[in-house]
Amino acid sequence: QVQLVQSGAEVRKPGASVKLSCETSGYTFTNYAIHWVRQAPGQRLQWMGWINTGNGDTKYSQNFQDRVTITRDTSARTAYMELGSLRSEDTAIYHCARDLVAGILDYWGQGTLVTVSS
Amino acid sequence: DIVMAQSPDSLAVSLGERATINCKSSQSLLNRSNKKNCLAWYQQKPGQPPRLLIYWASTRESGVPDRFSGSGSGTDFTLTISSLQAEDVAVYYCHQYYDTARTFGQGTKVEIK
Repeated sequence: QVQLVQSGAEVRKPGASVKLSCETSGYTFTNYAIHWVRQAPGQRLQWMGWINTGNGDTKYSQNFQDRVTITRDTSARTAYMELGSLRSEDTAIYHCARDLVAGILDYWGQGTLVTVSS
Repeated sequence: DIVMAQSPDSLAVSLGERATINCKSSQSLLNRSNKKNCLAWYQQKPGQPPRLLIYWASTRESGVPDRFSGSGSGTDFTLTISSLQAEDVAVYYCHQYYDTARTFGQGTKVEIK
């Protein structure tokens, strides 16, 4: 069955960066894009960007344009999201999600809590 | 970015009764090439990731009970739970994938009255 398993919780100081992973199984990795969506406490879901897992092309939200990098390792069937220049407002649960088609997110990872605190 | 506004923010419905959630987008979500509306609905329970319920505004995802239905077109959309069950207590989000800058509604919390 399709599974997206994310890396464990992280704690960072302001100004640092964090790199999260999303390991997939149960389907052909390169046939489906992967998106990253975050959920800060009490906030709505916020789309961060996506990667075409076939050719590596990426598209980022302008809200994170200068701070986020999404990559993938096809041999490991894993997508990564790195967020830099962290601030306290980046404290959130970060989800990866598979793109069924056109941006419809049909399978989600369990989420990774990132806490930014001095 | 396209702004998605849901109403109400929360609602309490008796078991077996109908629950209706509205979602309004700041611009049309109708894709001219395939004549489909680029609108999805997700259900999120505490401690869990969102679960896809509906896409293309009215297509039910496989495995989703048929008491869940989606309707609407253009800028106005509705998610209806025809007969609320205890396991439907959750937060529901609408999501537009029309624009490359994807956005979500603020969420509607559904509880049992």
